[in-house]
Amino acid sequence: QKEVEQNSGPLSVPEGAIASLNCTYSDRGSQSFFWYRQYSGKSPELIMSIYSNGDKEDGRFTAQLNKASQYVSLLIRDSQPSDSATYLCAVILGGFKTIFGAGTRLFVKA
Amino acid sequence: ETGVTQTPRHLVMGMTNKKSLKCEQHLGHNAMYWYKQSAKKPLELMFVYNFKEQTENNSVPSRFSPECPNSSHLFLHLHTLQPEDSALYLCASSRGTGGQGTEAFFGQGTRLTVV
Repeated sequence: QKEVEQNSGPLSVPEGAIASLNCTYSDRGSQSFFWYRQYSGKSPELIMSIYSNGDKEDGRFTAQLNKASQYVSLLIRDSQPSDSATYLCAVILGGFKTIFGAGTRLFVKA
Repeated sequence: ETGVTQTPRHLVMGMTNKKSLKCEQHLGHNAMYWYKQSAKKPLELMFVYNFKEQTENNSVPSRFSPECPNSSHLFLHLHTLQPEDSALYLCASSRGTGGQGTEAFFGQGTRLTVV
């Protein structure tokens, strides 16, 4: 089992729709979870961090965490073509190393 | 700008060359990381340094040699690389290595091509 798993996609949504991205992780002891956005040829950019069960909202982005199910998700409301990118889920494992999933490619169609 | 600067941005080197990648962070962070990103592969953690001490070596071949002289600077020394080592090498830093507020911030990366 991979330490951090994501569907590779691509996920295609129309402009204005909600994009839903999912991630599961293997270490039950993990306490810190992050979502990054990476445009082609660029480095990852932090979007959201979440540490407690439940939802955390920041503008059009909502991160959801369920530690019992070892599941974290990212919702993007009112998706825009500029949101088209690869979204990386990251988890701090073993208390000290940040491990990334393979990423989900998102396409937002105008 | 994330406060993490990598140089050079692009590097082409032969298999017998020796070169170094440099990373500097201006965020006052204590932890620094090297990641490798190959085409169509996930980010691979290579090395972790916390307060200048190496805390993780993710089974990286010895042709990659990290150096962390202080909490603000990180180097990756390269020698006798193989063409399959061609990739984007990313440096990141974070306030710590666990708990809240330990998000990693990335530099722009060095695109390495081994010929």
